[in-house]
Amino acid sequence: QYVLTQPPSVSAAPGQKVTISCSGSSSNIGNNYVFWYQHLPGTAPKLLIYKDNKRPSGIADRFSGSKSGTSATLGITGLQTGDEADYYCGTWDISLSAGVFGGGTKLTVL
Amino acid sequence: EVQLVESGGGLVQPGGSLRLSCAASGFTFSSFWMYWVRQAPGKGLVWVSRIHGDGFTTHYADSVKGRFTISRDNAKNTLFLQMNSLRAEDTAVYYCIRDLHGDSVSWGQGTLVTVSS
Repeated sequence: QYVLTQPPSVSAAPGQKVTISCSGSSSNIGNNYVFWYQHLPGTAPKLLIYKDNKRPSGIADRFSGSKSGTSATLGITGLQTGDEADYYCGTWDISLSAGVFGGGTKLTVL
Repeated sequence: EVQLVESGGGLVQPGGSLRLSCAASGFTFSSFWMYWVRQAPGKGLVWVSRIHGDGFTTHYADSVKGRFTISRDNAKNTLFLQMNSLRAEDTAVYYCIRDLHGDSVSWGQGTLVTVSS
């Protein structure tokens, strides 16, 4: 259903580290920059990572992005309860000539 | 301050039409790609469409191609999404976004479109 594949949910304890994967193909992640968003219900999504691993100003260095081949990963260290949200990866797809998102991953901080 | 304010959402019957608007301010509107992204209730974000700053290059998701038309009026700093032949599955909050794939991102607060009889 979604061109990019993310795990539906991840969880970890406060202070721990978590990674969220985003799997695609050569027509999207493999040849285009990946971005990551944090989305809290009732608010506009917040950009966490752009161009695979760049953080916008104001985003804590607890958030990091990486990419290898046709997969990308968002890392969050020092988890806080305020990090509980839905996280989305996205990129451009050359074959579709359209943008694509992953299905989203719900992060629970136990 | 960058501001994007969507309007035009509401309740429409299946097969009907609706035109969304997004009033932009606080930046040089014509310099940016502009986007529409939607989120159905309880579902994830879905990329819908984008338009180049000059208004001539557009792209659409397969799910809306042939039914939706994106356009812009750079003189009035306004982005539009004309939605025709609406279906129940088009029910969603529609967000107007500046530079989604770049680093100068800004999102509107969204406008709700409900397609139901």
